[in-house]
Amino acid sequence: NAGVTQTPKFQVLKTGQSMTLQCAQDMNHNSMYWYRQDPGMGLRLIYYSASEGTTDKGEVPNGYNVSRLNKREFSLRLESAAPSQTSVYFCASRARQGTRMVHQPQHFGDGTRLSIL
Amino acid sequence: EDKVVQSPLSLVVHEGDTVTLNCSYEVTNFRSLLWYKQEKKAPTFLFMLTSSGIEKKSGRLSSILDKKELFSILNITATQTGDSAVYLCAVDQYGGSQGNLIFGKGTKLSVKP
Repeated sequence: NAGVTQTPKFQVLKTGQSMTLQCAQDMNHNSMYWYRQDPGMGLRLIYYSASEGTTDKGEVPNGYNVSRLNKREFSLRLESAAPSQTSVYFCASRARQGTRMVHQPQHFGDGTRLSIL
Repeated sequence: EDKVVQSPLSLVVHEGDTVTLNCSYEVTNFRSLLWYKQEKKAPTFLFMLTSSGIEKKSGRLSSILDKKELFSILNITATQTGDSAVYLCAVDQYGGSQGNLIFGKGTKLSVKP
């Protein structure tokens, strides 16, 4: 069981370049999330998707866009990368029944380590 | 503003020691509190706590929640070097960002042989 799969694992970009981080889950979860993790800052929510076809901003959305391509896949795009976006990015998913969250934890991918020069 | 505070931020112990990690929270519409362990990669789920006073156990790890005083502790007995990790505490809210978790900054535990 793969769970949550993120690609790539590592990436180095130059300032101004664009890039899409990919995330896929095989647990049939409705809700998916993108976080960034920086030293001393914990995990902060960038965007989330409660269900296929919907996306919403989290705590730190500026400089990012997302696409919920289908139930399995949720991508994060940096249109014009900036050094402040150097971070480790985690995708997560969670089960949901209708409009109610199921009492189960979020499951995380292994992360993408992104450096922007 | 909703917040989750973990203490200490880092801790160094020797194998065989017992450690207690703390997590306090101020969150509206509390639903549950979760503990995760993060080594090199993905945070992995340890416990979910929803009710006060009921201890959850898994091997040498245990956790309990106090909803009156708004905190939780994670205990690890007879620590091993494999317990070295960052331990994350997170709170789930009713009506939050559709199931988003509010995370603390983590406690970095280092267990020396």
